[in-house]
Amino acid sequence: QVQLQESGPGLVKPSETLSLTCTVSGGYISDYKWNWIRQPPGKGLEWIGDVSYSGTTNYSPSLGGRVTISIDTSNNQFFLTLNSVTAADTAVYYCARRRTNWPFDSWGQGTLVTVSS
Amino acid sequence: DIQMTQSPSSLSASVGDRVTITCRASQGINRWLAWHQQKPEKAPKSLIYGASNLESGVPSRFSGSGSGTDFTLTISSLQPEDFATYYCQQYLSYPLTFGGGTRIEMK
Repeated sequence: QVQLQESGPGLVKPSETLSLTCTVSGGYISDYKWNWIRQPPGKGLEWIGDVSYSGTTNYSPSLGGRVTISIDTSNNQFFLTLNSVTAADTAVYYCARRRTNWPFDSWGQGTLVTVSS
Repeated sequence: DIQMTQSPSSLSASVGDRVTITCRASQGINRWLAWHQQKPEKAPKSLIYGASNLESGVPSRFSGSGSGTDFTLTISSLQPEDFATYYCQQYLSYPLTFGGGTRIEMK
């Protein structure tokens, strides 16, 4: 059974870069799209973007070009980079898996990232 | 972007109640709709895909229906473990979008 685990700093300063890693175990990283989703405290879910095995990406326009998602297939990991963060980027960040034309079928446990000086 | 609107945003119910949540898409999404359940401090869990197909292991008291722009999630007899927040999500097109959530609270 596939497992996803987010890792990265829990505190980032305003204007700096947020960087997270999702490590995939128990399954193949091919044939899926690998997603980042976030949830501000007390609020709903927001899709950030995804990356395929081949490195093709899709992003939410709401993040204004600040986001980059990449993948390292040899180590079964994918990554999120979010530039120029503000307090509004404080959220629990989840990684999740889905196939094309399917919804999310596996989620990481989530990691809280706080943006504060 | 396809906007997803859920109603109500919250409701109070008792164990054994029949509960219905609605989700409306701003444009037709055929049946490319999923429902997710989220308990406090936990990651979401996928319940339904394709508007009406239960994920493996999901109890049969959950059901989904709808097509196009209007969808419903029904819990036929609410159980204690069902008190949670539920989100609809479209996966027809990018950007993938979620409804605002419906929180089911104990009456």
